[in-house]
Amino acid sequence: AQSVTQPDIHITVSEGASLELRCNYSYGATPYLFWYVQSPGQGLQLLLKYFSGDTLVQGIKGFEAEFKRSQSSFNLRKPSVHWSDAAEYFCAVAEGGSNYKLTFGKGTLLTVNP
Amino acid sequence: KAGVTQTPRYLIKTRGQQVTLSCSPISGHRSVSWYQQTPGQGLQFLFEYFSETQRNKGNFPGRFSGRQFSNSRSEMNVSTLELGDSALYLCASSSLPGDIQYFGAGTRLSVL
Repeated sequence: AQSVTQPDIHITVSEGASLELRCNYSYGATPYLFWYVQSPGQGLQLLLKYFSGDTLVQGIKGFEAEFKRSQSSFNLRKPSVHWSDAAEYFCAVAEGGSNYKLTFGKGTLLTVNP
Repeated sequence: KAGVTQTPRYLIKTRGQQVTLSCSPISGHRSVSWYQQTPGQGLQFLFEYFSETQRNKGNFPGRFSGRQFSNSRSEMNVSTLELGDSALYLCASSSLPGDIQYFGAGTRLSVL
């Protein structure tokens, strides 16, 4: 069965600093990979996705992620964090085809210090 | 274009009662999925509907059920509520199964 691990439960960075959130997945074939963000009391907003092709994908709000098959990783990065980026971030993996469903990691809570 | 709409946003129920949650997908989307989010278990897949048919089901007891109507709106029902059913229930819609899922704001259910 597919699984997703986000090793960092909580990360604190200063505003303007760079950010990297880690995500490792377990899946037999090439997965569909996603990063979602959730602000308090809100649903999930899609930041970016990887289906195939270029392993460096660009998303909204200045985020990017890199798919590394050899490391089974899909880490999320941002060169300069803004206070409004404080939220919880979820990595997710999905099989394709008839059994499509999202499997989520436990999430990483991001705190941004002024 | 309006997003995914979930109603109600908040619910308080007591143990043993049943509850029905509603989800209206983005216009033109025909696939609806439901997820449960709790602090302990995180986000877990409940089920997926397409063309009024359940295509996939997660590992939840039979007390959790759902349906989809001809206009793609979906409802989920939880019978004989337990304290552990307290959670944020999220609905997501996509154009077709396998497409990107867009989430609603969720319904927060509290079971007392």
